[in-house]
Amino acid sequence: TQLLEQSPQFLSIQEGENLTVYCNSSSVFSSLQWYRQEPGEGPVLLVTVVTGGEVKKLKRLTFQFGDARKDSSLHITAAQPGDTGLYLCAGVNAGGTSYGKLTFGQGTILTVHP
Amino acid sequence: GAGVSQSPRYKVTKRGQDVALRCDPISGHVSLYWYRQALGQGPEFLTYFNYEAQQDKSGLPNDRFSAERPEGSISTLTIQRTEQRDSAMYRCASSLTGGAYEQYFGPGTRLTVT
Repeated sequence: TQLLEQSPQFLSIQEGENLTVYCNSSSVFSSLQWYRQEPGEGPVLLVTVVTGGEVKKLKRLTFQFGDARKDSSLHITAAQPGDTGLYLCAGVNAGGTSYGKLTFGQGTILTVHP
Repeated sequence: GAGVSQSPRYKVTKRGQDVALRCDPISGHVSLYWYRQALGQGPEFLTYFNYEAQQDKSGLPNDRFSAERPEGSISTLTIQRTEQRDSAMYRCASSLTGGAYEQYFGPGTRLTVT
C-alpha cells in the first residue's frame, strides 16, 4: 500500500511569514501533484512535478520533487490571508491497472492571520 | 464549460437503506474517480474507471459499496444497507485520461446516515 505522509497537519501563521509543507513516502511515484482546497469546494490542482529534483515556481509558491521521486515540498514566501486553505499532495501511480490513481496525503490546514 | 457535477449534494438516509450517488464528469473525459473525504483530511481513493471499464476498485471498503459507469460517461456509486460509519463527503473527479493529467473534482455529496 502506498502512503504519503504530509506534515505539518496544521499551520497557523501571521501574514508575511514563510512556511514549508512536506510530503514523504517510501514509495516511488511517477509524478506528484499539489492541490489546494477551500471550504465547501473540491481540490483544485496547483502544480504537477514529474522529474526527480524538479523545482517549479508559481508566484510565491515553490514546489520541489525529491531526487528519488518519493518526497516533495511546498514553500510559500510571504504568506497572505488569501493563501488560507487545505493543501494536499497526491502521488500518481506509476503504472499497471492503477495508472493515474492518486494517493493523497492527509492534508495541511493553513491559516494565515492578517 | 460545465465542470463535474454530482447529485444529490446532500443526502440524509436511515441506517439500512440503500443510496445511489451520481457523478456527471466533464464531457469527453475518459477517466472517472470516486473518493471519500473526511473533514480537513485528504481524499481517500475508492475506485476508478477508464471509459466504462472499472480499472481499480481496491479502495471500496467492503462489498456493500459498488460503482458502475455503463456508457462511459455518468457514474453511480451505490452503498447498500448503509451504516453510520458510511457518513462522509463522497467526491467524484474526472480527467482527460489517466496518468498525470489534472483531475477536476466535483462539489461532492455529503452523506449522513442516521
